[in-house]
Amino acid sequence: NLMLTQPHSVSESPGKTVTISCTRSSGTITSSFVHWYQQRPGSAPTTVIYDDNIRASGVPDRFSGSIDSSSNSASLTISGLVAEDEAEYYCQSSDSSTPVVFGGGTKLTVL
Amino acid sequence: QVQLRESGPGLVKPSETLSLTCDVSGGSLSPNYWNWIRQPPGKGLEWVGYIYYSGSTNYNPSLQSRVTISLDTSKKQLSLRLRSVTAADTAVYFCARGVFRGLIEMDVWGKGTTVTVSS
Repeated sequence: NLMLTQPHSVSESPGKTVTISCTRSSGTITSSFVHWYQQRPGSAPTTVIYDDNIRASGVPDRFSGSIDSSSNSASLTISGLVAEDEAEYYCQSSDSSTPVVFGGGTKLTVL
Repeated sequence: QVQLRESGPGLVKPSETLSLTCDVSGGSLSPNYWNWIRQPPGKGLEWVGYIYYSGSTNYNPSLQSRVTISLDTSKKQLSLRLRSVTAADTAVYFCARGVFRGLIEMDVWGKGTTVTVSS
């Protein structure tokens, strides 16, 4: 079964840049798109990036997504960190047997 | 715009069946995937399954033997039944609309409903 591995937590100071990785356990990262969701405490998730690198409507251009075939991973990069970016971030992808698989989530702390 | 609202019992006894509904308002059921996703306390998201607007279903292999998802198109209501529940099924349950963008993306979510499995 496909697993998407994310770091449990990351932290960085306001104004800095942080990158959250999502490593695919089987199959190639390019075999399926990757979406990224942001979830603030007590709220439902919202999409920040879909189809690897397309920002969802209303998402600031400080958010970007990318794919690295060499590490078989996707990444979410947030630049110019602000306090409101503090949240849990989840990647999502699929394989041939399961159309929806979520990563374990990464808690972003803005110091 | 489309809004989703989950409802159902907040407490279910072990070994019984968890039943939830999700009312869809403000939009069409087609051509979308209607999903259930759950989140145990303090943990990550787990996809439960979906029903396509045409009626075909797909479930998480780890839950497949216990799950049924249905769609009442006349009521615009999505339903989840999870049989033989245990404490491990305690979670916030979200319904979400899935749109296909090369991969199903959950673009609209309900606020979620908390279900506790306890005697």
